Amino acid sequence: NAGVMQNPRHLVRRRGQEARLRCSPMKGHSHVYWYRQLPEEGLKFMVYLQKENIIDESGMPKERFSAEFPKEGPSILRIQQVVRGDSAAYFCASSTWDRPSTDTQYFGPGTRLTVL
Amino acid sequence: AQRVTQPEKLLSVFKGAPVELKCNYSYSGSPELFWYVQYSRQRLQLLLRHISRESIKGFTADLNKGETSFHLKKPFAQEEDSAMYYCAPFLGFNAGGTSYGKLTFGQGTILTVHP
Repeated sequence: NAGVMQNPRHLVRRRGQEARLRCSPMKGHSHVYWYRQLPEEGLKFMVYLQKENIIDESGMPKERFSAEFPKEGPSILRIQQVVRGDSAAYFCASSTWDRPSTDTQYFGPGTRLTVL
Repeated sequence: AQRVTQPEKLLSVFKGAPVELKCNYSYSGSPELFWYVQYSRQRLQLLLRHISRESIKGFTADLNKGETSFHLKKPFAQEEDSAMYYCAPFLGFNAGGTSYGKLTFGQGTILTVHP
């Protein structure tokens, strides 16, 4: 099991462009979580998805950000019309829901987005 | 409102000294509690969970329901313990008849262990 994969690892965009971040969960995991880590700050929850469903998007900015986890393929976090304040490390985690006591989120290496 | 607080953003100790990373939570339910760690240039990983009553790398964490705290402790810190530590309550919930679970991370504490 290769673990949670994220690509690209580094992404540079100019203001106004779109950023697409991909996350492939661990094999057998159907729950995906996206987090953002701004410079000098901790991890902030953005969105929680299960296959084809958004379970909780309370941490997502209302505009320009969207996420999906299709039946086939990776989860995508899309940021439209990026601004400098979007520069951050974006982490994806996956889990399999069993019982709360056994659910562990496994994290990917992150995508570091830089907006010029 | 559900909230988890790690009051210390930075914590410095010397090698061999005891260390305690504080975590306080405010949740309406009874969350399970986890500590995650991120070493330099590595991905975030689970350190320990309350339900397992485990001790990992010499760290333990005691749940105090009265104080709603889950402080992480180690009696003798090592240089390799230097990392960012996150306290993370986990709460299951139901939506549309299906059960889900969600971790919420505290702000994190950067621990530096000096030689």
